[in-house]
Amino acid sequence: QVQLVQSAAEVKKPGASVKVSCKASGYSFTNYYIHWVRQAPGQGLEWMGWINPDSGGTNYAQKFQGRVTMTRDMSISTAYMELSRLRSDDTAVYYCARARGDYVVFWGQGALVTVSS
Amino acid sequence: DIVMTQSPDSLAVSLGERATINCKSSQGVLYSSNNKNYLAWYQQKPGQPPKLLIYWASTRESGVPDRFSGSGSGTDFTLTISSLQAEDVAVYYCQQYYTIPITFGQGTRLEIK
Repeated sequence: QVQLVQSAAEVKKPGASVKVSCKASGYSFTNYYIHWVRQAPGQGLEWMGWINPDSGGTNYAQKFQGRVTMTRDMSISTAYMELSRLRSDDTAVYYCARARGDYVVFWGQGALVTVSS
Repeated sequence: DIVMTQSPDSLAVSLGERATINCKSSQGVLYSSNNKNYLAWYQQKPGQPPKLLIYWASTRESGVPDRFSGSGSGTDFTLTISSLQAEDVAVYYCQQYYTIPITFGQGTRLEIK
């Protein structure tokens, strides 16, 4: 069965960077895009971008351009999302999610990133 | 960006009764070349990731109970739960995947009356 297992929660200081991982199993990693979506505490869902695991091509939401980098390591079926210059309002649960064609179907368990001095 | 607006923000329905959630997009999400509405519905329970319920506006995901249905086209969409069960208490989100950036509605909290 499809599984996306994300890295553990992290606490970071303002201005630092965080890198969240998403290990995929149960399917061919290069066949489906991986999306990243975040959710601030008690808030709604915010799409950050996607990566094509086959080509490495990416498409980021304009809001995160210049601060986000999505990469992948095909040898270990893992996608990564790195967010730099962290601010307190970046405190959120970060989800990776696998698409099926144009829409997202399978979600990771989420990784809480807390930004606090 | 396409703005997705859900109504109501919260809803309380008695067990066994019908629940209806609306979603309006600021521009159409119907792709004319394939006649598909690029609209999905997700359910999120506390402490869990979202779960896909409906895609292409009206296609139920495998394993989703048939009391969940989606309808609408263009800019106006509806998620209906025909007979509310206790396990349906959750926040529901609509999402458009017609264009980048993908955008979500603000969510509708569904509770038992």
